[in-house]
Amino acid sequence: GNSVTQMEGPVTLSEEAFLTINCTYTATGYPSLFWYVQYPGEGLQLLLKATKADDKGSNKGFEATYRKETTSFHLEKGSVQVSDSAVYFCALSNRNQGGKLIFGQGTELSVKP
Amino acid sequence: GAVVSQHPSWVICKSGTSVKIECRSLDFQATTMFWYRQFPKQSLMLMATSNEGSKATYEQGVEKDKFLINHASLTLSTLTVTSAHPEDSSFYICSAIYGLAGGLRISDTQYFGPGTRLTVL
Repeated sequence: GNSVTQMEGPVTLSEEAFLTINCTYTATGYPSLFWYVQYPGEGLQLLLKATKADDKGSNKGFEATYRKETTSFHLEKGSVQVSDSAVYFCALSNRNQGGKLIFGQGTELSVKP
Repeated sequence: GAVVSQHPSWVICKSGTSVKIECRSLDFQATTMFWYRQFPKQSLMLMATSNEGSKATYEQGVEKDKFLINHASLTLSTLTVTSAHPEDSSFYICSAIYGLAGGLRISDTQYFGPGTRLTVL
């Protein structure tokens, strides 16, 4: 079946540090891959997405590349800010699943000044 | 664009009462909406898929008679928690996928509402 695995948190970084949050997936066919961000007490916001192999999604300094050979979609940012503190969810969507999202367990990021 | 709203943002009710939560797509049509439940420091659990003009599809283990879902228009879905009990207290989040009447889905991206915090006393 389809599944998503993320690195466990919490991840604590100093401001301007480099961020990597690992995400790997298992899926049949060619899923679309997403990163969502959730700030405290809020719903999820789409951060970036990629719909096919080798696509790179990017937004607000965050990037992730769809790697089919390693079934990965790692999230990176070169220099994090305190305002990036949130929970990050990796997810996949397969068309044969009616648009349902399969989420990873979420990774909490805390950025200290 | 692609804004989804939820109302109310929080609600406190007594045990045994029913609570209705609305999910609206403000600037796009949504043939499909999803309802999730989230416990503290956990991921989202899909409860049901709501398709405009048809019955909702519930995930295994979700009581359809307790969580009533109605998707009466292309921009509105409602979740009613009937006879609520303290164990129903949770953060409920909806999402919507852009589509057209007749079920034609334009995108596979889900846009999420801000969530509704339900507390049952």
